[in-house]
Amino acid sequence: GENVEQHPSTLSVQEGDSAVIKCTYSDSASNYFPWYKQELGKRPQLIIDIRSNVGEKKDQRIAVTLNKTAKHFSLHITETQPEDSAVYFCAASKANFGNEKLTFGTGTRLTIIP
Amino acid sequence: KAGVTQTPRYLIKTRGQQVTLSCSPISGHRSVSWYQQTPGQGLQFLFEYFSETQRNKGNFPGRFSGRQFSNSRSEMNVSTLELGDSALYLCASTLWTSGGETQYFGPGTRLLVL
Repeated sequence: GENVEQHPSTLSVQEGDSAVIKCTYSDSASNYFPWYKQELGKRPQLIIDIRSNVGEKKDQRIAVTLNKTAKHFSLHITETQPEDSAVYFCAASKANFGNEKLTFGTGTRLTIIP
Repeated sequence: KAGVTQTPRYLIKTRGQQVTLSCSPISGHRSVSWYQQTPGQGLQFLFEYFSETQRNKGNFPGRFSGRQFSNSRSEMNVSTLELGDSALYLCASTLWTSGGETQYFGPGTRLLVL
């Protein structure tokens, strides 16, 4: 089955700096890669996703890149703010109708230092 | 639209008991997936239902079961509870568009087994 590895497990950055979280996946058939942000005591919230037909996607301060050949994808947060502090999870799935199973990475605890 | 709802939000049980958790997906979403979140194992896929049929199942023992009703509401049941079943149980409903799938999580049910 699919295996998703996520690094680093913890990350501290100064407010205003950039943060990068990296994930690798094992199943070359995976084609959908969402990122979720989970604040303490709350549900995972989808912040950005990318599908295998594109290499990069941006949404304001957040971007995701995908390298299908190397089977890795990354989350980039620029101009970090204190409210970016949370645990971030990457995930992968073979998103075809009938297979809505997400395999998650182990999470990255991001701390923004004011 | 209202988001994914889960009941109850918190539950305390003792070993050997059974428990039933409920999830109502976003209106119009017909697919419901269940995940278990623990500090040690992270987010793990339990099973997924679509139109009252289980389409995917994760690697959990048979004590974990579920079902889906004609209104897309889903329940999961855990029998003969063990201490290790203490976790946050999340359900997600899936929106399918021409661009693909997107999963939205409910707030979760936090289960404590004593």
